[in-house]
Amino acid sequence: RKEVEQDPGPFNVPEGATVAFNCTYSNSASQSFFWYRQDCRKEPKLLMSVYSSGNEDGRFTAQLNRASQYISLLIRDSKLSDSATYLCVVKNRGSTLGRLYFGRGTQLTVWP
Amino acid sequence: DADVTQTPRNRITKTGKRIMLECSQTKGHDRMYWYRQDPGLGLRLIYYSFDVKDINKGEISDGYSVSRQAQAKFSLSLESAIPNQTALYFCATSRDGQYDTQYFGPGTRLTVL
Repeated sequence: RKEVEQDPGPFNVPEGATVAFNCTYSNSASQSFFWYRQDCRKEPKLLMSVYSSGNEDGRFTAQLNRASQYISLLIRDSKLSDSATYLCVVKNRGSTLGRLYFGRGTQLTVWP
Repeated sequence: DADVTQTPRNRITKTGKRIMLECSQTKGHDRMYWYRQDPGLGLRLIYYSFDVKDINKGEISDGYSVSRQAQAKFSLSLESAIPNQTALYFCATSRDGQYDTQYFGPGTRLTVL
């Protein structure tokens, strides 16, 4: 089983829509959680960290459910510029401390 | 100037050739990583280094080797390139705190004919 599983999409939504991405992870000892954004043929860039209590950054809200080993990202009022691939990322404890595990990404297209 | 740089940005080579991809960083991070990305497969870890004297294999190290020449430099070599090593290669760096994440270079697009 992969460390991190994501629905690959694609998600195609109109401007102004609300869209949610989900992600599950397999290791209950996972320590930290992140969402990255990757534009086509570009490097992944950190979008936001995900904290236990949930956190919000403008139009973006991230949630963590440790009991279900589930992470989510909600984007409100979608913009054309939100079109990208969103990567769910998990960091584990143990001998590989510091190593990140990446989901395969969820592709989002926002249309006018 | 970019914090993490990679050279070359694009490379086309032939089967059997030795190729070196270079990564440099000015972030002062101890940890450096090499990934490859293939369509539909996501990012896969090739090698990682937690300091100059520490090198570790990732998920897919076969056919690759690395050298950590200094804190700021981490090179990836393909000793004898083969076509299925055609991919987008990323270098990344990080600190070592619980919430510290990784910062990626712009990538090297490698094509092996």
